[in-house]
Amino acid sequence: GNSVTQMEGPVTLSEEAFLTINCTYTATGYPSLFWYVQYPGEGLQLLLKATKADDKGSNKGFEATYRKETTSFHLEKGSVQVSDSAVYFCALEVTGGGNKLTFGTGTQLKVEL
Amino acid sequence: EAGVTQFPSHSVIEKGQTVTLRCDPISGHDNLYWYRRVMGKEIKFLLHFVKESKQDESGMPNNRFLAERTGGTYSTLKVQPAELEDSGVYFCASSPILAFTYNEQFFGPGTRLTVL
Repeated sequence: GNSVTQMEGPVTLSEEAFLTINCTYTATGYPSLFWYVQYPGEGLQLLLKATKADDKGSNKGFEATYRKETTSFHLEKGSVQVSDSAVYFCALEVTGGGNKLTFGTGTQLKVEL
Repeated sequence: EAGVTQFPSHSVIEKGQTVTLRCDPISGHDNLYWYRRVMGKEIKFLLHFVKESKQDESGMPNNRFLAERTGGTYSTLKVQPAELEDSGVYFCASSPILAFTYNEQFFGPGTRLTVL
């Protein structure tokens, strides 16, 4: 079956620190990969996506590269801000799977001044 | 344009009671999805509607859960009778049906269900 494994949180960083949140996956087909973010009190928002190997998704200073050889899609940001504090979910969707998403457990990020 | 809305935002009920969650998708979105996150675990798919038809209900945990989408607009998810393990956050998402492109799912804020 399909599954996503991401690093457990919570992760606490100082403002301007470098962020990495690891994500690996298993999939029965060829997946598209996503990072979603949930800010406090809000719904999940699509942060970035990549649909094929070696694609790099990027948005708001966040980046993730689709690595087929390591089945990974790690999220990175060079300099985090307090406003980045949220829960981050890695997810995949397999083509022909009806667009249903398979999520990881989520990683809570807290950024302090 | 209004986003996906869910009601209530929080529900606390006793084991054995019935609860109905409601989701209003973005207007014009034919796809509607229900997901659930049990405390600290992954968000799991429950089911998928295309308009009023159930396209995929493979994630529904058991027959205590009933989802409807009459008229292809809003959807309800009823849990009857509720059990302790049903506690969690229930998310609804909607997306349009567009050819040749990824149909991004737009999520609501979720309903936090607590069964005591």
